[in-house]
Amino acid sequence: AQSVTQLDSQVPVFEEAPVELRCNYSSSVSVYLFWYVQYPNQGLQLLLKYLSGSTLVESINGFEAEFNKSQTSFHLRKPSVHISDTAEYFCAVSRAGAQKLVFGQGTRLTINP
Amino acid sequence: KAGVTQTPRYLIKTRGQQVTLSCSPISGHRSVSWYQQTPGQGLQFLFEYFSETQRNKGNFPGRFSGRQFSNSRSEMNVSTLELGDSALYLCASSLDVTKGGELFFGEGSRLTVL
Repeated sequence: AQSVTQLDSQVPVFEEAPVELRCNYSSSVSVYLFWYVQYPNQGLQLLLKYLSGSTLVESINGFEAEFNKSQTSFHLRKPSVHISDTAEYFCAVSRAGAQKLVFGQGTRLTINP
Repeated sequence: KAGVTQTPRYLIKTRGQQVTLSCSPISGHRSVSWYQQTPGQGLQFLFEYFSETQRNKGNFPGRFSGRQFSNSRSEMNVSTLELGDSALYLCASSLDVTKGGELFFGEGSRLTVL
């Protein structure tokens, strides 16, 4: 079975500051890793994913995450955040080739002006 | 291309009643999954359907059931509602099952049980 731990339930940062949202996972088999974002009163949107290949993956809006197999981590980073990044971020894992996602508890990112 | 559509968006029920939620996946997507989101338990997998067959089921009581139709639309039903069933129910669809959980989520159906 897979499990995901998001180490911070809330992360407040100032606008234009860098941010890191931490995610650790546990699995005995190969996994796919994902970050989803949820804006208020909306469903989840895929931010980025790691399936295989390069361990550094990037999104179109400046976020990046690095798969670290030895540390079983998939931390999400952005060098400079914007007010519009205020949302809840979920790290998720699935067994490679499977459909079921196991989510972390989420990290609420709050951007202060 | 239309996204995943869930109806109704909001509903209020009383304990003991039953509820049916509907999900229309993105055109061409054959896999539909359901998740329950609550402040206390977070996002939990309910079940997944592919080509009208339930392929995977989460750890929920038998009061929670679902089905998928030949056009890939899906419904989930909760019978004998309890206060703890109050949650946001999210439906997600997927095109390529071999790539794992690349899911596209709807905006959810928010159920309040009084």
